[in-house]
Amino acid sequence: KQEVTQIPAALSVPEGENLVLNCSFTDSAIYNLQWFRQDPGKGLTSLLLIQSSQREQTSGRLNASLDKSSGRSTLYIAASQPGDSATYLCAVRGGGGANNLFFGTGTRLTVIP
Amino acid sequence: DVKVTQSSRYLVKRTGEKVFLECVQDMDHENMFWYRQDPGLGLRLIYFSYDVKMKEKGDIPEGYSVSREKKERFSLILESASTNQTSMYLCASTTGVLGNTIYFGEGSWLTVV
Repeated sequence: KQEVTQIPAALSVPEGENLVLNCSFTDSAIYNLQWFRQDPGKGLTSLLLIQSSQREQTSGRLNASLDKSSGRSTLYIAASQPGDSATYLCAVRGGGGANNLFFGTGTRLTVIP
Repeated sequence: DVKVTQSSRYLVKRTGEKVFLECVQDMDHENMFWYRQDPGLGLRLIYFSYDVKMKEKGDIPEGYSVSREKKERFSLILESASTNQTSMYLCASTTGVLGNTIYFGEGSWLTVV
């Protein structure tokens, strides 16, 4: 069964720093990978979706990369801001049914003003 | 923008009560999901529906049932609530195309006392 790991579980950085969040998965036969943001007590907000045939996706200050063969994805956040403080989760979709979706447990990011 | 609406944000119920959690999406999505999210355990799939009146069990269906009488609405039912069902419940939806984004609602916090 696919296992998705996000390390570290928590990260604190000063405002303005560039940072990288990591996501690794055990089975490289994925359909796509999605990054989410979750604010405390709220649902998940989709940030970026990378198809298995793509290497990266960008949205504003966010850039997500995918290396399927090594089972890794990174989410790069440029010029971090206190408003970026949240938990970031990645999820990989396998090629089976629509319910074949596996989540990491997230990295809790704190950006210190 | 896609909107997934969970009608109840915070509920407190007594042990043994029947609980209904409602979820509505406005983008004609075929697939809908119910997850629960607990600290340290991440998101776990309870039930999944790929069409009206169709459902599949997820990883933790025990103690839950679901109903999908209309395409836009997916209900989670706790037949007899127990304290170990205290959790954050998240509804999600996506199209029938595997490569598309999955969208989440704001979540429902359920406390069973």
